[in-house]
Amino acid sequence: GQNIDQPTEMTATEGAIVQINCTYQTSGFNGLFWYQQHAGEAPTFLSYNVLDGLEEKGRFSSFLSRSKGYSYLLLKELQMKDSASYLCAAMDSNYQLIWGAGTKLIIKP
Amino acid sequence: ETGVTQTPRHLVMGMTNKKSLKCEQHLGHNAMYWYKQSAKKPLELMFVYNFKEQTENNSVPSRFSPECPNSSHLFLHLHTLQPEDSALYLCASSPTGDASGANVLTFGAGSRLTVL
Repeated sequence: GQNIDQPTEMTATEGAIVQINCTYQTSGFNGLFWYQQHAGEAPTFLSYNVLDGLEEKGRFSSFLSRSKGYSYLLLKELQMKDSASYLCAAMDSNYQLIWGAGTKLIIKP
Repeated sequence: ETGVTQTPRHLVMGMTNKKSLKCEQHLGHNAMYWYKQSAKKPLELMFVYNFKEQTENNSVPSRFSPECPNSSHLFLHLHTLQPEDSALYLCASSPTGDASGANVLTFGAGSRLTVL
């Protein structure tokens, strides 16, 4: 079956760096998405990776290894506003999105 | 307004009630989606509409009935729901329903449904 695994919850300190991992098992692969969802708000698009490697967007970077079925989202210089859930989703061979359950990130002062 | 707007934001209903959730997008997108989000579970795709035509129904019980009168509006009609249907219902839109990794979803903030 198809599956996405990501940690349920993580805690980090303001100003630090945190890495949220995501492993996927899908029938075929057409890319991996990360979304951010603040409590009570809409999920918003963060990144899309389809090729191996690291893509950087300001304080956020996303990495993909297709051979390992692995991605991570790296958040630098953490701010309190980064407290949110981070959703990982892989796109299978039929371009269907397979979603993880999300990682709740708690930032402490 | 811009983006994807969902109403109502909160809804409490009895198992015998009939209610509807509304979604409106102001992005000029041609595909719209209903997702169910339950606590600590992955998003579940319910329905997809592409250019007003339903292209996906993920084995959703008939007590959920979607309607897409035009590319900007999407409804989810609810009837004789069960307590386990309590969840956050998210609407999303994308430029098209085409199979593409570039087809990024824009979500609404959701309608929090509680079934008593």
